[in-house]
Amino acid sequence: GAVVSQHPSWVICKSGTSVKIECRSLDFQATTMFWYRQFPKQSLMLMATSNEGSKATYEQGVEKDKFLINHASLTLSTLTVTSAHPEDSSFYICSAPGTTSYEQYFGPGTRLTVT
Amino acid sequence: GQQLNQSPQSMFIQEGEDVSMNCTSSSIFNTWLWYKQDPGEGPVLLIALYKAGELTSNGRLTAQFGITRKDSFLNISASIPSDVGIYFCATTKGANAGKSTFGDGTTLTVKP
Repeated sequence: GAVVSQHPSWVICKSGTSVKIECRSLDFQATTMFWYRQFPKQSLMLMATSNEGSKATYEQGVEKDKFLINHASLTLSTLTVTSAHPEDSSFYICSAPGTTSYEQYFGPGTRLTVT
Repeated sequence: GQQLNQSPQSMFIQEGEDVSMNCTSSSIFNTWLWYKQDPGEGPVLLIALYKAGELTSNGRLTAQFGITRKDSFLNISASIPSDVGIYFCATTKGANAGKSTFGDGTTLTVKP
């Protein structure tokens, strides 16, 4: 149980285009999901908290107009990278809280490469 | 913000050897979590610790929540090739998984 999926697993896009990444909880409902980015050989950095039915909460320094988050249902959150640039190339990972509020179930990640 | 100092940064060991890694901080935490990340995948929770002094095992893995609540270690006994990956410690101060802070990771390489 507690499986989180992401789609696509990898994507290559041209600079200036937008890319949407989906995060789904497959066998449970998630009113909250989290979006992280991870640069090579670095740790996970929380970008934002996605809240079902309300606005996302962004961490300091994360541009909300660039990283659009929509949590339209209890099993789906989407992250749209708008007007992507090469510096947005990264590994984007979503997660949902586990059975205790401290734990998280992570998706498999999406590798974004902007050319 | 909160900062976790995880060490070592990387380890190269022979199959069958034991491994030890740790995380320290200047802050006090309510939880310590240990995750493993395989290449190109998301992290998977290995062990969760909720009480100072707690010692918990998961198969060949053992982790402890430091008495001071400022540190934790993870041991892997009799390492095998599939132990390869990046191990992250993570903590929370409050009851909010999303406010977890992650260490920089320990990259483990196991030579058969």
